Amino acid sequence: EAGVTQFPSHSVIEKGQTVTLRCDPISGHDNLYWYRRVMGKEIKFLLHFVKESKQDESGMPNNRFLAERTGGTYSTLKVQPAELEDSGVYFCASSQDRRGLVNTEAFFGQGTRLTVV
Amino acid sequence: KNEVEQSPQNLTAQEGEFITINCSYSVGISALHWLQQHPGGGIVSLFMLSSGKKKHGRLIATINIQEKHSSLHITASHPRDSAVYICAVVSFLVNTDKLIFGTGTRLQVFP
Repeated sequence: EAGVTQFPSHSVIEKGQTVTLRCDPISGHDNLYWYRRVMGKEIKFLLHFVKESKQDESGMPNNRFLAERTGGTYSTLKVQPAELEDSGVYFCASSQDRRGLVNTEAFFGQGTRLTVV
Repeated sequence: KNEVEQSPQNLTAQEGEFITINCSYSVGISALHWLQQHPGGGIVSLFMLSSGKKKHGRLIATINIQEKHSSLHITASHPRDSAVYICAVVSFLVNTDKLIFGTGTRLQVFP
């Protein structure tokens, strides 16, 4: 069974450009999470989908970030326009249990390293 | 101050040593996760626990809910155990299903 897959693995873009990150969760996992680690800091929550619905987007830093999960399968995270402080590693995770991370482990992707120059 | 604190931040050990990594948290939690990240690699779940103790191979995780503390132990450490170990908690808050992460403990085990 394929794990959580993220594309691209690395992205270097100029300030002001747009970047779209993609996450393919494990098939059948309704819960999909986006997290981010900026340099030297702990990993922080961005948002949580249950199927195609945004359950919690309290961690999204500002309106330059847009996440979608059309059809409840893969998800995209678009940053437009990118700023220098957006640089970091973006992780996607998925879990199966409808009760969420209280009751089950999360499966993480390899992450996308975003560098904004 | 972070809601989840880990100690030590860095740890070196000789192969065969017993390792302990500590995690303290300041929020009410429903569950605690221990995760492992190898250099350049993704994050792998090691344990999810809400009480007591769990064991998997040479790894043991314990949690004391009253003291808001968890420990991850590695017995007979091996160089392949070298990685960053991350503690993350699920907050008690209703309608919240997210992990709050510690900063991680970087472990290096030398032969």
